[in-house]
Amino acid sequence: EAAVTQSPRSKVAVTGGKVTLSCHQTNNHDYMYWYRQDTGHGLRLIHYSYVADSTEKGDIPDGYKASRPSQENFSLILELASLSQTAVYFCASNDGYEQYFGPGTRLTVL
Amino acid sequence: QQKVQQSPESLSVPEGGMASFNCTSSDRNFQYFWWYRQHSGEGPKALMSIFSDGDKKEGRFTAHLNKASLHVSLHIRDSQPSDSALYFCAASSSSFSKLVFGQGTSLSVVP
Repeated sequence: EAAVTQSPRSKVAVTGGKVTLSCHQTNNHDYMYWYRQDTGHGLRLIHYSYVADSTEKGDIPDGYKASRPSQENFSLILELASLSQTAVYFCASNDGYEQYFGPGTRLTVL
Repeated sequence: QQKVQQSPESLSVPEGGMASFNCTSSDRNFQYFWWYRQHSGEGPKALMSIFSDGDKKEGRFTAHLNKASLHVSLHIRDSQPSDSALYFCAASSSSFSKLVFGQGTSLSVVP
């Protein structure tokens, strides 16, 4: 089964601080995605990438940046964290048929 | 407006019973439909995909798709306590396209 790992698994950040969430996959999948999960909204797409050194905006990109330095790694960056960005963040990769999700990062912004 | 509407919001069924979930899309570009399951503290995992009209059965799980009405459903027969989880419907326009998720249904299977 495809392996997607995320770090950290949980983080507490201060308002206005910078936060970087990391994702690593070992399956040579080209496509990778970042979603956030909030109660009542399911999962919503923030950014995605289909090749290293290139990222695309998803449905809710405001306040987030993404970086894909290699095929295996995909980061989500919050330059100025805000209270509204408290959520659980999931990374996923796609083998052309199915998306495989990581275990998630619980981010709390105080 | 959410492009993928899911119901019910929560569901409680007795062990051995049938659990049913519904999903309706408002975007006719969606051709691929998925059901994902998420246990507490874990990431979502794909349960079933359905791309053609009609039924698709995998063990205790049956999915049904009606492309004309953009309606997809999932039925779990002989529900087990281990089936207790969040269930999401998701849709996309191609296998590589972004997934659009419904709001989710929380299933509780009571022993």
